[in-house]
Amino acid sequence: DGGITQSPKYLFRKEGQNVTLSCEQNLNHDAMYWYRQDPGQGLRLIYYSQIVNDFQKGDIAEGYSVSREKKESFPLTVTSAQKNPTAFYLCASSIRALSGRDTQYFGPGTRLTVL
Amino acid sequence: DQQVKQNSPSLSVQEGRISILNCDYTNSMFDYFLWYKKYPAEGPTFLISISSIKDKNEDGRFTVFLNKSAKHLSLHIVPSQPGDSAVYFCAASARRGSTLGRLYFGRGTQLTVWP
Repeated sequence: DGGITQSPKYLFRKEGQNVTLSCEQNLNHDAMYWYRQDPGQGLRLIYYSQIVNDFQKGDIAEGYSVSREKKESFPLTVTSAQKNPTAFYLCASSIRALSGRDTQYFGPGTRLTVL
Repeated sequence: DQQVKQNSPSLSVQEGRISILNCDYTNSMFDYFLWYKKYPAEGPTFLISISSIKDKNEDGRFTVFLNKSAKHLSLHIVPSQPGDSAVYFCAASARRGSTLGRLYFGRGTQLTVWP
């Protein structure tokens, strides 16, 4: 089955540690996205990538980093510089880059808790 | 600043009645709109979309209406069912400009359908 995989479902880290969230898709989609959801805040865009080896900052990129070395993978690193890292993180993908018309499909999310 | 606004954080409707969820946007470049449904601790799932060349799009119990002059869209669910209870997100995108390929999300409306 094609889809978007995010692992793990729940992740705990100590304050000051970097942590990398995994996102893999086998849909052959060009574009991939990372969002963060906080209560009452909706979905806020962290980073997005339209093509391999290229990515753009979203609205809340500070304290995060990404890479896009392979089409199917778009890992997100939450660094110690992120002041409020505890949140629900969602990865998404869409078929074409730079479309403005394509639906984004979401993974199941990773709940990150920083202790 | 929020470019997509969902001013009602919650809506409660009796089973069988109509649910109307509203969304406003400020950016006149937006020309494609989507609605997503989200259950707790899961990724959003796509419901329905509409292009700015239309003013209505229907899919089963779900209908989206677009009023471009008012920069307003609404999602109608008829009849509402208890399984529709979820958070509904409105999203918008533009076919042109530097932000091509990304979606802008509202903060969501929690719909509760009671028996």
